[in-house]
Amino acid sequence: ILNVEQSPQSLHVQEGDSTNFTCSFPSSNFYALHWYRWETAKSPEALFVMTLNGDEKKKGRISATLNTKEGYSYLYIKGSQPEDSATYLCALNSGGYQKVTFGIGTKLQVIP
Amino acid sequence: DSGVTQTPKHLITATGQRVTLRCSPRSGDLSVYWYQQSLDQGLQFLIQYYNGEERAKGNILERFSAQQFPDLHSELNLSSLELGDSALYFCASTLSGVENSPLHFGNGTRLTVT
Repeated sequence: ILNVEQSPQSLHVQEGDSTNFTCSFPSSNFYALHWYRWETAKSPEALFVMTLNGDEKKKGRISATLNTKEGYSYLYIKGSQPEDSATYLCALNSGGYQKVTFGIGTKLQVIP
Repeated sequence: DSGVTQTPKHLITATGQRVTLRCSPRSGDLSVYWYQQSLDQGLQFLIQYYNGEERAKGNILERFSAQQFPDLHSELNLSSLELGDSALYFCASTLSGVENSPLHFGNGTRLTVT
C-alpha cells in the first residue's frame, strides 16, 4: 500500500501571506508526482506534473519543488488570495504502473 | 471545463440495487480512471482502462465492475449496493500515461444509497 501523506491537513492564512504545504511519498519506484487544486463543488484541476529530482515548476503565484531521493514535494503559494481557497492534492504515480495514488489533501482557507 | 463528461450527476437508489455510472473522456484521451470519494476520505483509486483494456486495479470491490468500450467511453457498474457505497464517484482521463500527463476530471456522480 502506497502512503502519500500531506501536511498540514488544513490551514488558515491571511490574505497576502505566503504559505506552503508538504507531500511525502515512498521514494522507491518513483515515476511522477502530480499536484491538483480542488475547489468546493468543482472537480480537481491539475497544477503540475513533476518527474525529475530537483524539478521546480511555477504557475503564477503557485510553485512546487520535488525531491525524489528523500520522497517529498513542497507546494508554495505567494501572496495568498481568497480565490486560492481550495483543497490541494498531491498524487503519486510509481512502480511503472498507471495507478495514481492521492493524498488526502491540504485544505487552505485564505481569510480576506 | 475539462472535457470529461460524467452522467448522471446525482443518483439516489436503495440498498441491494444496481446502478451504472457513465464517463466520456476528453476527445483523444485513451485512458480512463475511476475514483471514489467517501465522506472525509481522499480519492480512492478503483480501476484504470487504456484503449479498452484494464491496466491497473485498486481496492475495487467484487460487487463493482467497469469496462471501456470501443468508442472509449467507460461505465462503472455497482451492484448489491450498500449504504457505505454512498460517495462521489469521479472519472478522469488522460492521453496515455500519467508519468507526463495530468488527469482531467469529470464533475463526478454523487451516489446516495438509502
